[in-house]
Amino acid sequence: GAVVSQHPSRVICKSGTSVKIECRSLDFQATTMFWYRQFPKQSLMLMATSNEGSKATYEQGVEKDKFLINHASLTLSTLTVTSAHPEDSSFYICSAVRGVGTGELFFGEGSRLTVL
Amino acid sequence: GNSVTQMEGPVTLSEEAFLTINCTYTATGYPSLFWYVQYPGEGLQLLLKATKADDKGSNKGFEATYRKETTSFHLEKGSVQVSDSAVYFCALISAGGTSYGKLTFGQGTILTVHP
Repeated sequence: GAVVSQHPSRVICKSGTSVKIECRSLDFQATTMFWYRQFPKQSLMLMATSNEGSKATYEQGVEKDKFLINHASLTLSTLTVTSAHPEDSSFYICSAVRGVGTGELFFGEGSRLTVL
Repeated sequence: GNSVTQMEGPVTLSEEAFLTINCTYTATGYPSLFWYVQYPGEGLQLLLKATKADDKGSNKGFEATYRKETTSFHLEKGSVQVSDSAVYFCALISAGGTSYGKLTFGQGTILTVHP
């Protein structure tokens, strides 16, 4: 079946540094990918919609300069947390749509970011 | 706005026990409802879905019925196995939603099944 892979699965960094998380669709092309974050005991919240070849669409309240999204190819989207702070520590998950519009949705394994 | 509320976990059961994970939602109109499951070290996977009132989604022995009158979509399984240990997420997408990526999720419920 279709697989979406995220890397790294866990990352620990110092406050002030930037961290890049990759999301790859391994056996299909994804024109649209999504990024979510989950704080402990809270829901998965959609952060942004990543569109191949164009700018990402951010949800209300998500800082676009803080969370840089690049969808440079049909199989790769990256999320860069810039100048990370402890409050950015969270579980980040990506998903990719196979097909157009209401195509099937596949999720990555998630990436746990801890900022010291 | 839309919201999904799941019963708090963790839920711990013995093998062959009956499972219920409650899920209620708030949304306008008739949203589509989903249950996703995340096994350790893996991504979320669609477990089952229902797109209109009174629909029953089912898969791998799990069932959930779309109850419009109680705005609920409770997940049930008659006899759980150790391999069912995972995190379960209830989710919805608004009526007329054009992209399954814009899901609203519950907070997830951890299920642990002991032999």
